[in-house]
Amino acid sequence: QVQLMQSGAEVKKPGASVKVSCKASGYTFTRYYIHWLRQAPGQGPEWMGIINPSGGTTSYAEKFQGRVTMTRDTSTSTVYMELSSLRSDDTAVYYCARDLGTSFDYWGQGTLVTVSS
Amino acid sequence: AIQLTQSPSSLSASVGDRVTITCRASQAIAISLAWYQQKPGRAPKLLIYHASNLESGVPSRFSGSGSGTDFTLTISSLQPEDFSTYYCQQFNSYPLTFGGGTKVEIK
Repeated sequence: QVQLMQSGAEVKKPGASVKVSCKASGYTFTRYYIHWLRQAPGQGPEWMGIINPSGGTTSYAEKFQGRVTMTRDTSTSTVYMELSSLRSDDTAVYYCARDLGTSFDYWGQGTLVTVSS
Repeated sequence: AIQLTQSPSSLSASVGDRVTITCRASQAIAISLAWYQQKPGRAPKLLIYHASNLESGVPSRFSGSGSGTDFTLTISSLQPEDFSTYYCQQFNSYPLTFGGGTKVEIK
């Protein structure tokens, strides 16, 4: 069965970076784009960007340009999202999700990133 | 960016009620709209794609309709497990965007 398994919760200080992983299983990794989204407490999901696991090409939301980097490792079927220069308002649950072309059909379980001094 | 406005932001209903949630897009998006259900502490779950297509495994009491700028999600007979927050999301153009959510609570 399709699964996206994310890395565990992180606590970071303002100004630091965080790298979250998302390991895919149950399907051919290179056939589906992967998106990263985040959800702040009490808010709706916010789209951050997309990566093509086949070629590694990426596209980021303008809001995160210059601070986010998405990469992949085809040998382990894993995608990564790194966010730098963290601020307190980056505190959120971060999700990876598989692109069906029409929707996100599978989501990771979420990774809580807390930014606090 | 395309803005999605959901209404109402919350509602109270009883088991067995028919519930309708609306989503209005700031510009036409054809049928590039999906609906998700989210329970506390869980990832969103896909219910409807392409505005009206039911995702496999989703109960038939859920249905979606609309095109262009106006969309609806209907639950024909609310069940206890349906008390959740619902989000619409557009897949027409980047950046992908979500509505503000509708929380369905027990009356």
